[in-house]
Amino acid sequence: AQSVTQLDSHVSVSEGTPVLLRCNYSSSYSPSLFWYVQHPNKGLQLLLKYTSAATLVKGINGFEAEFKKSETSFHLTKPSAHMSDAAEYFCVVSAPGESGGSNYKLTFGKGTLLTVNP
Amino acid sequence: NAGVMQNPRHLVRRRGQEARLRCSPMKGHSHVYWYRQLPEEGLKFMVYLQKENIIDESGMPKERFSAEFPKEGPSILRIQQVVRGDSAAYFCASSPTSENYGYTFGSGTRLTVV
Repeated sequence: AQSVTQLDSHVSVSEGTPVLLRCNYSSSYSPSLFWYVQHPNKGLQLLLKYTSAATLVKGINGFEAEFKKSETSFHLTKPSAHMSDAAEYFCVVSAPGESGGSNYKLTFGKGTLLTVNP
Repeated sequence: NAGVMQNPRHLVRRRGQEARLRCSPMKGHSHVYWYRQLPEEGLKFMVYLQKENIIDESGMPKERFSAEFPKEGPSILRIQQVVRGDSAAYFCASSPTSENYGYTFGSGTRLTVV
């Protein structure tokens, strides 16, 4: 079984300051990990993914995340927040589903709401 | 290349009515996944379908919910005799294979039961 814990339900930063959204995971298998962003009343957009290649993953819009197996963490960071980054962010782990084999079933964290103050 | 298309974007149903949610996958994608997002929660897996086959429905409620992905046309998530607790956002994603390299999600259907 797998699970995801997003340690903060709400993070507030000032524009131009760094962003850190924390995520810890638990998985019985070698996980694939993802961050998705959801703007208000919009769909989900994939920010970045870790699939057992480089542990530091770069995504879109200047975001990156580092996979740390020893800490079972996959925190999302950005050096400088922009107003347009205000949204909800979901950390996601995938693992083999009921039919076995491929890792199609996604387990989502509860989300972190990021607000960016002018 | 259009993304995953879901319609309607918003759906209002009275208790006891049926709700039909449609999902057209990206061109060339034959794998579809449905997820439900309840208020203030993350998304939860419901069902995984390939053309004309249900692969994994372990996340579907046992009653009133069904899904299909016919040979032609969109995937349909059907909820019969809706209740207030069915109010949620329903998202679908598609992929060309079952391997997960990061799914593309649609914009969702927001169902409100009144």
